[in-house]
Amino acid sequence: GENVEQHPSTLSVQEGDSAVIKCTYSDSASNYFPWYKQELGKGPQLIIDIRSNVGEKKDQRIAVTLNKTAKHFSLHITETQPEDSAVYFCAASDQTGANNLFFGTGTRLTVIP
Amino acid sequence: DAGITQSPRHKVTETGTPVTLRCHQTENHRYMYWYRQDPGHGLRLIHYSYGVKDTDKGEVSDGYSVSRSKTEDFLLTLESATSSQTSVYFCAISDHTRGTVYNEQFFGPGTRLTVL
Repeated sequence: GENVEQHPSTLSVQEGDSAVIKCTYSDSASNYFPWYKQELGKGPQLIIDIRSNVGEKKDQRIAVTLNKTAKHFSLHITETQPEDSAVYFCAASDQTGANNLFFGTGTRLTVIP
Repeated sequence: DAGITQSPRHKVTETGTPVTLRCHQTENHRYMYWYRQDPGHGLRLIHYSYGVKDTDKGEVSDGYSVSRSKTEDFLLTLESATSSQTSVYFCAISDHTRGTVYNEQFFGPGTRLTVL
């Protein structure tokens, strides 16, 4: 099955700086890569996703890039704010009929005011 | 949380006892999932359902069973709970009926289960 690795496991940045989280995946047939944000005591929330037919997608301060040749994708957060502090998970879908998601192990982002 | 509720939200039980967790959705989505979340492991799929009475195993299904008798409800049962099943359990839903292969999943608030 799919194997997703995520780095770093923790990341601290100053407010206003950028943050980058990277993931790699193993199944070259995967075609959907969502990112989730999880705040303390809550369920993961889908914040952005990218499909294999594009290389980059932006939504305000958040962007995701995909390199299918290298089998890696990244989350970029610009102008970080304290409310960006959370755990972020990447995921990749397999190509069985169910298109199940396989998750990375998470990155705890702390934005220091 | 996209019209998803989980009950109970917290539970403490003893080794060897049966436990059932409930996920209820109001979105009429076809797919429902149960995950467990543990430090260092992210989210791992236990079981999923692609319709009423249609279920399949995920990557960590041993010791768990599921049932789906109605579109809106998906039950996760631990027949005989063990300490290794102490975890946070999340339900998720997805609407594959629109014909997309892109599995956008939306998560519930979670259930924290402690097995003593």
